[in-house]
Order: sequence, then C-alpha cells, then structure tokens
Amino acid sequence: QSVLTQPPSVSAAPGQKVTISCSGTRFNIGHNPVSWYQQLSGTAPKLLIYDNDKRPSGIPDRFSGSKSGTSATLGITGLQTGDEADYYCGTWDNSLSAYVFATGTEVNVL
Amino acid sequence: EVQLVESGGGLVQPGGSLRLSCAASGFTFNDYWMSWVRQAPGKGLEWVANIKQDGSVTHYVDSVKGRFTISRDNAKNSLYLQMNSLRADDTAVYYCARKTGEYWGQGTLVTVSS
Repeated sequence: QSVLTQPPSVSAAPGQKVTISCSGTRFNIGHNPVSWYQQLSGTAPKLLIYDNDKRPSGIPDRFSGSKSGTSATLGITGLQTGDEADYYCGTWDNSLSAYVFATGTEVNVL
Repeated sequence: EVQLVESGGGLVQPGGSLRLSCAASGFTFNDYWMSWVRQAPGKGLEWVANIKQDGSVTHYVDSVKGRFTISRDNAKNSLYLQMNSLRADDTAVYYCARKTGEYWGQGTLVTVSS
C-alpha cells in the first residue's frame, strides 16, 4: 500500500492517448514536485518527467506531465507498442520524511 | 555519460548482513544527493534511503530503519548500503540512483533465504 494512488492499468490502441493519474495528499504532491518513471520489462526504471512537467533530454514530447493540487497526471500521446511498460509517479512526503512511489500503472497497447 | 554500477548482491540467510556498493562515474559525484531504491520480485518500486552530498543527512523508509545504513565515499565516487538483520521481505533488486531517480544503475539482486 502506498500513500500515492495510481490505477493498476490503462489500455489504448496504437496512436491513441492515455492519461495516468497519481493522487496524493497535502503532505506529498500538495507541497512537492512530482516525477514520473517508465520501467520496461526486465530493465531499470527511467526518468520521464521531473518537476511536475519537465522532460529530460531525449524524452519525446509525446510524454507530458501536469499537477494540480494533490494530484498529478502523466499523458502519453501517439501511443506506440514500445510504450508498453509500468509507469510510476513519485515525490517526497513531508510527514514521512521519505520519498514515496505509487504502486505503478501498467500501460497496454491493444 | 552518467554511469551507476551496483555490486555486492547475492544470497544471504535470514538475520545475515550484506554490503552493497555503487560506483558512480560521468558526473561530479559530490554535487548530488544519492538514493537506494529496491524492487521485490513482481512488485513495484520502493525507495529505501538517501544521503546528502556531504553525508551529513540521511533518510530511511520505516521498514529498514535501525537495520540499514547508507553511506558514501566522495573520494572514491562510491555509494554504499550496509544491510543488517536481513529478512525474507528484503529480497529485491536494489538500484542505486542519482537524487531520487534522475539516473539509475542496472541493479543488484539480494535474496534472503535459508
């Protein structure tokens, strides 16, 4: 169980758009920047989004992030089969004095 | 190119100890907080601990407090995780990460089993 909540899975056809929500509280998302990570099967995670909406160099603009209040959202447009992966949001939690990850969302490309 | 290479994983009996290492290169190591993150088989990511640039501040997830110690040697560009009193639920791939996940190593597997 995590203090951050994500849907277990989302699905869409190639070329379509998916959004993944990440819900938290005033102790974490409400006061701290959110990052998003992509983990392809059998590999280490990779940073997709940091500071709520910034993309590291090399991350395509098909990936976007936003935050409002105690929730954050990852959007993926132009869905590709290579986007099939687990996606995690993460942020610092002031009440726990710890970094927290959500339980992750599996993206399926139909 | 940023590189993080973990080592030290293996099979250990419950109650035993293990020390993980992470060799960093391609960036100025002492400019960054560093973290350990783990992933149990078939499960999600769990942040374990982090350490400030000069080692003066550390934080831990509750489940490892009093058992694990994170440390660093800036002269050797290395990060460590000393794990004592290991339990079966500590079984996981342990990743070294710059800050809380800007860059990740390939991970090292720790298996706690008799």
